[in-house]
Amino acid sequence: RKEVEQDPGPFNVPEGATVAFNCTYSNSASQSFFWYRQDCRKEPKLLMSVYSSGNEDGRFTAQLNRASQYISLLIRDSKLSDSATYLCVVNQGGSYIPTFGRGTSLIVHP
Amino acid sequence: DAGVIQSPRHEVTEMGQEVTLRCKPISGHNSLFWYRQTMMRGLELLIYFNNNVPIDDSGMPEDRFSAKMPNASFSTLKIQPSEPRDSAVYFCASSLESLAEAFFGQGTRLTVV
Repeated sequence: RKEVEQDPGPFNVPEGATVAFNCTYSNSASQSFFWYRQDCRKEPKLLMSVYSSGNEDGRFTAQLNRASQYISLLIRDSKLSDSATYLCVVNQGGSYIPTFGRGTSLIVHP
Repeated sequence: DAGVIQSPRHEVTEMGQEVTLRCKPISGHNSLFWYRQTMMRGLELLIYFNNNVPIDDSGMPEDRFSAKMPNASFSTLKIQPSEPRDSAVYFCASSLESLAEAFFGQGTRLTVV
């Protein structure tokens, strides 16, 4: 079983739509969680951290469910510029190394 | 502030040649990571340094791969001899400590022919 799993998609949505991604992790001792965004042929960049109480940044909302070992990302009012791959990151293991999911591809069309 | 700096950005080499990738982490960061990204396997951690010391190298594919961090501002990843299956994008990332968010360099796109 992979340590961090994501649905690869692609999710193909119209502008203005709401879209949600989930990510599951296997290590219950995981300590910190993030969502990254990666554009084609670019490096991953931090989108937002995920806190236990859930957090929101504009159109983006991240939530953590420790009991079920998953994190989620909700994007409201999708823009064309949101098209990218979204990577789930879980810091786990004895050294709490960032472990990346394979990413979920989002395509927002006019 | 300068981010993580990697060089070269692109490298094309022949099978059997030695390849050296370089990374300068963000000043003050004590954790450094080397990742490899391919379409088939996604982002895989190769090695993790903390305070210049290798902590976890379980992701290094085989003896052909080696990494060093002689000081806090420089790290290298070496492949000798290189093989076509090593073709990938290699990213270096650094963070204040392993639990914090990691900042990535622009990557080195390696092609071994």
